[in-house]
Amino acid sequence: GAGVSQSPSNKVTEKGKDVELRCDPISGHTALYWYRQRLGQGLEFLIYFQGNSAPDKSGLPSDRFSAERTGESVSTLTIQRTQQEDSAVYLCASSLGLPGIPEAFFGQGTRLTVV
Amino acid sequence: AQTVTQSQPEMSVQEAETVTLSCTYDTSENNYYLFWYKQPPSRQMILVIRQEAYKQQNATENRFSVNFQKAAKSFSLKISDSQLGDTAMYFCAFFSGYALNFGKGTSLLVTP
Repeated sequence: GAGVSQSPSNKVTEKGKDVELRCDPISGHTALYWYRQRLGQGLEFLIYFQGNSAPDKSGLPSDRFSAERTGESVSTLTIQRTQQEDSAVYLCASSLGLPGIPEAFFGQGTRLTVV
Repeated sequence: AQTVTQSQPEMSVQEAETVTLSCTYDTSENNYYLFWYKQPPSRQMILVIRQEAYKQQNATENRFSVNFQKAAKSFSLKISDSQLGDTAMYFCAFFSGYALNFGKGTSLLVTP
């Protein structure tokens, strides 16, 4: 597709369940980011993939969070044993890797509600 | 780690007026990029303007312009002739080859 696609758009899950969020980046973009945005708040960095380099996982808040990316394609963010505090919008973005212009293009996000 | 600070949580401006949003950052890098993103209520993040640190000339995109002060590590956004559609959250962001770091945002309200 032409833009970054995220699915599902909305997800309601029960506390303690696992969820998997998907991101399809723009074709040719080697960099991919995941952010968390709580209601009315800024973007909290979670993880950054750049090509075949080891991902920067420094933003993952706990070991319940993990993310994978196969090559330069789809990425999935998995949250295990969800808690109510995990409720937020999860945004994915992709960009050209350096030396290209690192302008990030964002998906519409997945709104996760843990009940 | 690079930090990005937006000191104005909320701002308001009347339609057709000019408003300036501030952003400062902290880095020891010499080469980097700075961005302003807009997030309207639809929650879609949209790039407003970008600035490469090696360029001395301030970036301009139609009604949007920046005042980039590299020595002061300041990167403010000026919106001229404000329009109702400019109502949104505005985020300043920094990139130097690692992750793209964002400030906490400024909520801008444009009033008739």
